[in-house]
Amino acid sequence: GQNIDQPTEMTATEGAIVQINCTYQTSGFNGLFWYQQHAGEAPTFLSYNVLDGLEEKGRFSSFLSRSKGYSYLLLKELQMKDSASYLCAVFTGGGNKLTFGTGTQLKVEL
Amino acid sequence: AAGVIQSPRHLIKEKRETATLKCYPIPRHDTVYWYQQGPGQDPQFLISFYEKMQSDKGSIPDRFSAQQFSDYHSELNMSSLELGDSALYFCASSLRQGEAFFGQGTRLTVV
Repeated sequence: GQNIDQPTEMTATEGAIVQINCTYQTSGFNGLFWYQQHAGEAPTFLSYNVLDGLEEKGRFSSFLSRSKGYSYLLLKELQMKDSASYLCAVFTGGGNKLTFGTGTQLKVEL
Repeated sequence: AAGVIQSPRHLIKEKRETATLKCYPIPRHDTVYWYQQGPGQDPQFLISFYEKMQSDKGSIPDRFSAQQFSDYHSELNMSSLELGDSALYFCASSLRQGEAFFGQGTRLTVV
């Protein structure tokens, strides 16, 4: 079966850096995505990792270690608008099943 | 740029009724996914299609069925609706294993 774990909630200060971890145990692995979701809205794509290492995209970076079944999303220079749920999602099987983790609710405070 | 279109945006149905949700993927995307998201929960995978063929199935109740048509739009049919079916239903599309783009969702309320 699929098991994707993330912390439920995190709080950070505006301007700071926060790291959101994701661990996974899945049957088959074809890539890992991070999405941002504001309440009541659709998830929006942030990053994609298929090989080990760090992918940087502006204020957001994502890291993957396939051998450890581990990824993290790094958000720098936090802004109030970054308060949202961050979802880790893994492509499994034949690549046509995107399974989401439990999501991490990030609250950015002044 | 064209995005994933879902209709309707909101739907209110009574228990035991039937509902049909529609999804129009981004042009040239070959994969469509359906997700159900209850309040405070993560999106739960229901079903996916690749090139109009069902490719993966998740926790989709037997009361639900879905198909993808020749023009690549997809429909999720939900029968014998229950109160617990009230949720946001998202459709997403992608090109093979690329990033999935989500529609704005259909909010279904069963009363």
